[in-house]
Amino acid sequence: NAGVTQTPKFQVLKTGQSMTLQCAQDMNHEYMSWYRQDPGMGLRLIHYSVGAGITDQGEVPNGYNVSRSTTEDFPLRLLSAAPSQTSVYFCASSWGRRETQYFGPGTRLLVL
Amino acid sequence: GEDVEQSLFLSVREGDSSVINCTYTDSSSTYLYWYKQEPGAGLQLLTYIFSNMDMKQDQRLTVLLNKKDKHLSLRIADTQTGDSAIYFCAEVFGNEKLTFGTGTRLTIIP
Repeated sequence: NAGVTQTPKFQVLKTGQSMTLQCAQDMNHEYMSWYRQDPGMGLRLIHYSVGAGITDQGEVPNGYNVSRSTTEDFPLRLLSAAPSQTSVYFCASSWGRRETQYFGPGTRLLVL
Repeated sequence: GEDVEQSLFLSVREGDSSVINCTYTDSSSTYLYWYKQEPGAGLQLLTYIFSNMDMKQDQRLTVLLNKKDKHLSLRIADTQTGDSAIYFCAEVFGNEKLTFGTGTRLTIIP
């Protein structure tokens, strides 16, 4: 099993550009989520999904969209990047919301 | 709302014990986790404890839960250089949202 994979590892964007952060898991987990990690703030939940076709907002959803067309994939879209979105983004998956979460290696994003 | 707090930094001499503390505000927490993040990597689950337990030991790791004071701690015995990382406590509260603390950066002094 590859576990949770994320691409790209690093990305530099200009303000206003759009991009999609990819996340995939091969563990047949129903629950997937996106977090951003900022210094001194821990991890904050952006969006999550309890299964294919179902998504919901987390703590800091503004500026981000998600979709869950398959169990395996949960992409995160930035429609118009802003410097405030400079962060490290982590995708995670688990059997359920209360279960142990498995994290991807992260995507480091810089918005200029 | 839920709030989970940790000290940002901890320095420990190699071979000593490290104690990383976490406090939370919501008394309805059900599951409490400790995650480890090594430089440039994602988070890995270290251990967890159910809220009806007071202590859990797993090799060099000991988790203590004081429900009355809403205090969770992680003790690492015989701290090694490989233990250098950021440690996050995380808790599932009554509404099943997983909330992370700010993380404690553990530095090992040779």
